[in-house]
Amino acid sequence: DAGVIQSPRHEVTEMGQEVTLRCKPISGHNSLFWYRQTMMRGLELLIYFNNNVPIDDSGMPEDRFSAKMPNASFSTLKIQPSEPRDSAVYFCASTLTGTNTEAFFGQGTRLTVV
Amino acid sequence: KQEVTQIPAALSVPEGENLVLNCSFTDSAIYNLQWFRQDPGKGLTSLLLIQSSQREQTSGRLNASLDKSSGRSTLYIAASQPGDSATYLCAVTLGNTDKLIFGTGTRLQVFP
Repeated sequence: DAGVIQSPRHEVTEMGQEVTLRCKPISGHNSLFWYRQTMMRGLELLIYFNNNVPIDDSGMPEDRFSAKMPNASFSTLKIQPSEPRDSAVYFCASTLTGTNTEAFFGQGTRLTVV
Repeated sequence: KQEVTQIPAALSVPEGENLVLNCSFTDSAIYNLQWFRQDPGKGLTSLLLIQSSQREQTSGRLNASLDKSSGRSTLYIAASQPGDSATYLCAVTLGNTDKLIFGTGTRLQVFP
């Protein structure tokens, strides 16, 4: 397996534009997480899916953020409209829940909103 | 609310030293604890996972211990090398949800 795959790796956009980040989890994993990393706040959990269903979205900062998981092999995180304070590295991770095994992270998407 | 703290925030050591990184958490009802490594501009790589029923795990020069009752974990790196330079993060999971709550990390630099 190629691991967790995120795209794009880098995104630069203007304030007010819509941004969509994509993630392909490891095949067979049933849980998927979106994290945001900044210097000030470290790694923050935004939303957690289990079997494609959103379980906990309490970390989603505002209504401008939304996430979907239409099937077991694909998830998106959308920001609309984007703001400069959304600039961060966004990570996707997947794991097999209930097996006490490791979580695997993608390489991240570095988002810059100007 | 679970809070995870790592000390020190940064560490610079000469090659060959044995070193200890510390992680503490406020709620002992964890499912497991993981140590990750993050290189600049890269994602996170899992180093060790300790289940709540375990006391320690070893992988090569790395040894991680867990004391749930005191809310502490340590990562021991033996005979450090310049290639060990990275940020090390610990994370705990709550219940059996696999939600990872991360510490702020320790930035390690090992110089030749």
